[in-house]
Amino acid sequence: GAVVSQHPSWVICKSGTSVKIECRSLDFQATTMFWYRQFPKQSLMLMATSNEGSKATYEQGVEKDKFLINHASLTLSTLTVTSAHPEDSSFYICSASGGADTQYFGPGTRLTVL
Amino acid sequence: DAKTTQPPSMDCAEGRAANLPCNHSTISGNEYVYWYRQIHSQGPQYIIHGLKNNETNEMASLIITEDRKSSTLILPHATLRDTAVYYCIVRVLTGNQFYFGTGTSLTVIP
Repeated sequence: GAVVSQHPSWVICKSGTSVKIECRSLDFQATTMFWYRQFPKQSLMLMATSNEGSKATYEQGVEKDKFLINHASLTLSTLTVTSAHPEDSSFYICSASGGADTQYFGPGTRLTVL
Repeated sequence: DAKTTQPPSMDCAEGRAANLPCNHSTISGNEYVYWYRQIHSQGPQYIIHGLKNNETNEMASLIITEDRKSSTLILPHATLRDTAVYYCIVRVLTGNQFYFGTGTSLTVIP
C-alpha cells in the first residue's frame, strides 16, 4: 500500500516553455501533498505544501508564480514549472500524506531545460 | 531548516549490522523522529519512525535515547541493496512538513 506515482519520469524541454508534472496517490487519499526539488549531490529541498482544495503554501525563496501547484482532488497534485530556464533543471519529487504522520514519496521527475 | 545532524558517510560490511547515528538535540517533546533512505535517482523510501520508545519493523530498528536528543537506525544484516543515503528527519509540530538534512551515505561493502 501507500504508492505514489509521478508522471513523467523524465522530461526535456526548451527554455521558455512550461512543463507540468503530475503526482498521484494510487491507493489512498492524500489530504496533503508536498513538492521537493533536489539538485545533484544535494539533499531534498521542500518547495511547497498543498492541501486538497486550497492554495499551496510555498517555502521561503520559492517563487509561487513560477512553480504553480494545483491539488484539485484527493489523489492528484500537479506542479507546473512556467517559463522554464536551464537553472530549473533538477529532480522534482512529490510526496503524499493521508492525514497520518508518514509521507510517501513518488519516484521523482528529472527535468532538463535546454 | 533541518533539526538533525548525521555523519556524511559510513561503510558497512555485507551481512553485518549497520548502525547509523543521528543527533537531534533541539527536538521538542511531541516531535517524531523519522528515517527514510534514498537510492540513487529514486524517491525516498520510508523506513521507520518513533517518538520515545524503540521501534522495530521488517526493515530496521530505531533506538531513541532516553533524553531523545539522539537516535540510531540499525539495519541488522546489511546487504548490497542497502547502499543508499539515509535521512533522519524530525517532524515539525506546526505542520507535517519534512525538512531534510544532508543525510548519511551508507556503502555496503561485499
